[in-house]
Formats: sequence, C-alpha cells, structure tokens
Amino acid sequence: NAGVMQNPRHLVRRRGQEARLRCSPMKGHSHVYWYRQLPEEGLKFMVYLQKENIIDESGMPKERFSAEFPKEGPSILRIQQVVRGDSAAYFCASSPRGPGNTGELFFGEGSRLTVL
Amino acid sequence: GDSVTQMEGPVTLSEEACLTINCTYTATGYPSLFWYVQYPGEGLQLLLKATKADDKGSNKGFEATYRKETTSFHLEKGSVQVSDSAVYFCALPTDSWGKFQFGAGTQVVVTP
Repeated sequence: NAGVMQNPRHLVRRRGQEARLRCSPMKGHSHVYWYRQLPEEGLKFMVYLQKENIIDESGMPKERFSAEFPKEGPSILRIQQVVRGDSAAYFCASSPRGPGNTGELFFGEGSRLTVL
Repeated sequence: GDSVTQMEGPVTLSEEACLTINCTYTATGYPSLFWYVQYPGEGLQLLLKATKADDKGSNKGFEATYRKETTSFHLEKGSVQVSDSAVYFCALPTDSWGKFQFGAGTQVVVTP
C-alpha cells in the first residue's frame, strides 16, 4: 500500500531555472496539500488542491509559483526562475477527504530543492 | 489567527531520561490537536492526536493531554530511546479543509 510519493527527492537548480516537483497522493486520496519547510523553520502551508481545482492557495507566493493537480497524473508544484531563497524542503501531503477534515495528513518524504 | 508555539530546541537527553516538549495554542473554538514526528531524512508522520478537551493522545510511549484551561498540549515520554531522536511538531487545523498550522519544531537528540 504505497504512501505519498514525491519526486525528485533532491533537486539542484541554478538561479533562473525552473523547478518541477511531483506528488502522487495515497491511493484513494483526492486532496493534496503542499507545505514548505525552510531551514530552521517549521512547515508553512502553501496550497490545497483537489482534482483539477485549486481550493486554497493563500500560502503561495504571488509570483513564480504555481500548482496543479490534473485529472490524470500527479500533482505538480512549479517554481519558475528560482532564486536562492527558494531553497527548502517541499512536502506534499494527502488526505481522503476535504471539507470537515480535521484528521490526519499523510506526508511524503519531501523534495529538497537547492538553488545555486 | 490560529497558531501554535512550541519550545525551541535542540533538546539533548541521555537514553532513559524523561522528555517534555511544551506546546501552547491559540485558536477559535476547540480544534483537534496533533503531534507529528519527523525522523532524519523523512517526511512527517502522525505521532498522536486529541480531539477534545481533557483527551489524552498516546502512541509509542508518548503522551499528550489537551488542556483547555492552559491552552496547552505538551508532549511527554517517561524514558526516551536513541531511536526517538527526531524533530517533533505540534499542529492544529486552522480551517475545515485540513489546512494545518505547525509549530516551528523541536529537535530532540538522544545519546546512548
């Protein structure tokens, strides 16, 4: 029973390049959350998606960042024109339900982005 | 807005010592409260939770009691092991969609 799968686990980019992070939720889960963990900080919510819909993107930077969760395939977090401050661990989590969900989030192992 | 505050680390302990990690929260209403653990190089996993006041969550020898009067959810373990070395996060949901507010995390290092 596969858990939340994220890839790549590690990604190195130079300033100005694009980073694409992928997340496949647990089987049966249709709700995906992206969190960012900056060095020495806790996790910060970025975006919540259901299939083909962005439900809450209040934690996403206004520029360069976008997320999608298509009908088929994984959720993708895209960072354009990366800067050094984007270096962080990006975690995806999934849950089996949305509204009224105060239960557990299931996390992937994270994608660690390093911007040179 | 809703938030959690937890004690800063790192906390360094010897094996079999007692561990307490303080967590206090600010919230409208009475949300469920959670502790997540992150082992080195891994993602977060749920350690325990409590859904209402005076509830005690427990797992793997860890316990935490939801205290409404002190708005606290302190994590405790009576005898830690080296394998408990990890970062521990206190968390609460901030809306009905499953969005969580996490504390900054407390790193625990247990030495033999």
